[in-house]
Amino acid sequence: GAGVSQSPSNKVTEKGKDVELRCDPISGHTALYWYRQSLGQGLEFLIYFQGNSAPDKSGLPSDRFSAERTGGSVSTLTIQRTQQEDSAVYLCASSLGSYGRASDTQYFGPGTRLTVL
Amino acid sequence: ELKVEQNPLFLSMQEGKNYTIYCNYSTTSDRLYWYRQDPGKSLESLFVLLSNGAVKQEGRLMASLDTKARLSTLHITAAVHDLSATYFCAVGNKLVFGAGTILRVKS
Repeated sequence: GAGVSQSPSNKVTEKGKDVELRCDPISGHTALYWYRQSLGQGLEFLIYFQGNSAPDKSGLPSDRFSAERTGGSVSTLTIQRTQQEDSAVYLCASSLGSYGRASDTQYFGPGTRLTVL
Repeated sequence: ELKVEQNPLFLSMQEGKNYTIYCNYSTTSDRLYWYRQDPGKSLESLFVLLSNGAVKQEGRLMASLDTKARLSTLHITAAVHDLSATYFCAVGNKLVFGAGTILRVKS
């Protein structure tokens, strides 16, 4: 079946602009996660959704970052007033159940490479 | 705060040799994952380890978990070029990743 998809695959923007990154999870997966991968910080958790609610937003680095999920499916990560330090690959993952279930593997999408000039 | 350390960070191996990647974590967890990442690609799930003493094998890779020592190992047997990639261990529910081990297998 189809895996996790993300769009765009690459995004180049100017400092101060807003960007939206999209994630389409695997059909039927109720849990959705956003991570960020950068050279300096490695792989970092950003936010977790269970259905449409986000019980864990602890990884969002500032209030410029927000995310929503609608219909228990597609999620959008929005970064306002982008800064150069936001440049990274943003990865989305989904899993079948909540993250209380240890057996659930997170399946990752191909990522969006964001470059802020 | 959960911290995950991997070593080595870079591993250059000859084909046919064996080696082990180590993953230590700082606080108790009921799960540990190993992922593979090829250059420019996303993360591919390799193993999920859920209990003390768990051992899983796939091809030339074998992963084990010692929850008392908070240690997981990824053992590579008779390495081949196709295993060249970056390997990450990750712990917890909102995954906390190690820094990754870049593996290069040379002919």
